[in-house]
Amino acid sequence: DTAVSQTPKYLVTQMGNDKSIKCEQNLGHDTMYWYKQDSKKFLKIMFSYNNKELIINETVPNRFSPKSPDKAHLNLHINSLELGDSAVYFCASSQFGGNRINIQYFGAGTRLSVL
Amino acid sequence: DAKTTQPPSMDCAEGRAANLPCNHSTISGNEYVYWYRQIHSQGPQYIIHGLKNNETNEMASLIITEDRKSSTLILPHATLRDTAVYYCIVRVAGGTGTASKLTFGTGTRLQVTL
Repeated sequence: DTAVSQTPKYLVTQMGNDKSIKCEQNLGHDTMYWYKQDSKKFLKIMFSYNNKELIINETVPNRFSPKSPDKAHLNLHINSLELGDSAVYFCASSQFGGNRINIQYFGAGTRLSVL
Repeated sequence: DAKTTQPPSMDCAEGRAANLPCNHSTISGNEYVYWYRQIHSQGPQYIIHGLKNNETNEMASLIITEDRKSSTLILPHATLRDTAVYYCIVRVAGGTGTASKLTFGTGTRLQVTL
């Protein structure tokens, strides 16, 4: 069983379209994240949700809207796609709590290509 | 989070030990050292973490200097499958809000060769 699964794995679309990427984790974690890896391979945090509450929003354009219907899911919706949105998007999850070591488990990534 | 410095690339022969260094001279007393790696076209994978004592698990060993300003990740018997980018990250344990994020640098690209 895949611990953190993302769909789709590949997404090719035209500029201006709206698209969604889904993420699900079966690890029982209470915190989920979205990271973006650009063409230069820099990996940066975008959002994080803890128990369905947004706790990190790293200056991401408001065209990006994460939605967490429950602790096991964190979806990413992108409106009016631009060429610069082309990247690999990674979902991750971890378990919070006090001084617990925060080990994040990542999905396989979604490669988004905007034409 | 403290900044880290890693060499951009390293080579290692298969079967030999791979020693990946990391400098984190501004690390705070409550910050841990984490290592992740990213194999080509895959998501990052957690390897090991430590505070001040040396640590070992089934994947690797982590050696942290006494002053905690640097550390070394050791893959004792590197295989071709260990070819990846290795990231050294320092951050507090747990933490809420923005303290929970992982800040990835450029890492070290390890190439394991026959």
